[in-house]
Amino acid sequence: DTAVSQTPKYLVTQMGNDKSIKCEQNLGHDTMYWYKQDSKKFLKIMFSYNNKELIINETVPNRFSPKSPDKAHLNLHINSLELGDSAVYFCASRTSGTDTQYFGPGTRLTVL
Amino acid sequence: DQQVKQNSPSLSVQEGRISILNCDYTNSMFDYFLWYKKYPAEGPTFLISISSIKDKNEDGRFTVFLNKSAKHLSLHIVPSQPGDSAVYFCAASGNFGNEKLTFGTGTRLTIIP
Repeated sequence: DTAVSQTPKYLVTQMGNDKSIKCEQNLGHDTMYWYKQDSKKFLKIMFSYNNKELIINETVPNRFSPKSPDKAHLNLHINSLELGDSAVYFCASRTSGTDTQYFGPGTRLTVL
Repeated sequence: DQQVKQNSPSLSVQEGRISILNCDYTNSMFDYFLWYKKYPAEGPTFLISISSIKDKNEDGRFTVFLNKSAKHLSLHIVPSQPGDSAVYFCAASGNFGNEKLTFGTGTRLTIIP
């Protein structure tokens, strides 16, 4: 009965590879987000989708491509992984008209 | 350009006492503020929030105070319990059309039994 879930929880991969992280929410929310927490523990927004439409793209390299097949899912695909992509990635969701976002457990990505 | 700042990276408080976590912001367009609690290897969990039309919001042991003129908010936890040991993030949003959250860097709270 997890509200916001992410897979995988841990991801270790080599530089140059392409990988995807999946997010699903069962809260009935219509807006979903991806955040990145870097080595300094700073949580920063990357993308936001509302009803499958991209509404925030915070100057993220175009190697990162979010995809929202439906309101309940927001996946993150990363091409040509670089060392600096190592971080914890959090998915979050909320309902339009409210400010409170609910977060998934995070995916720790390590690029070797 | 960090618009939300938590200047204390860590705080230790005796069990039963009051914990006070502070947060400052620079963007006067922020109109909603939230506190999240985060345990290791878990996602941030929503704790309490406050709208800019209020100066105080209370929920059980947790109270958030907002001082708009000083662009400062604080989270009070009383009495502090061992389970409160976690990293606390302050976050802010504004009427920018996307309600994205801007986070502070967090304060690690340790409750000493």
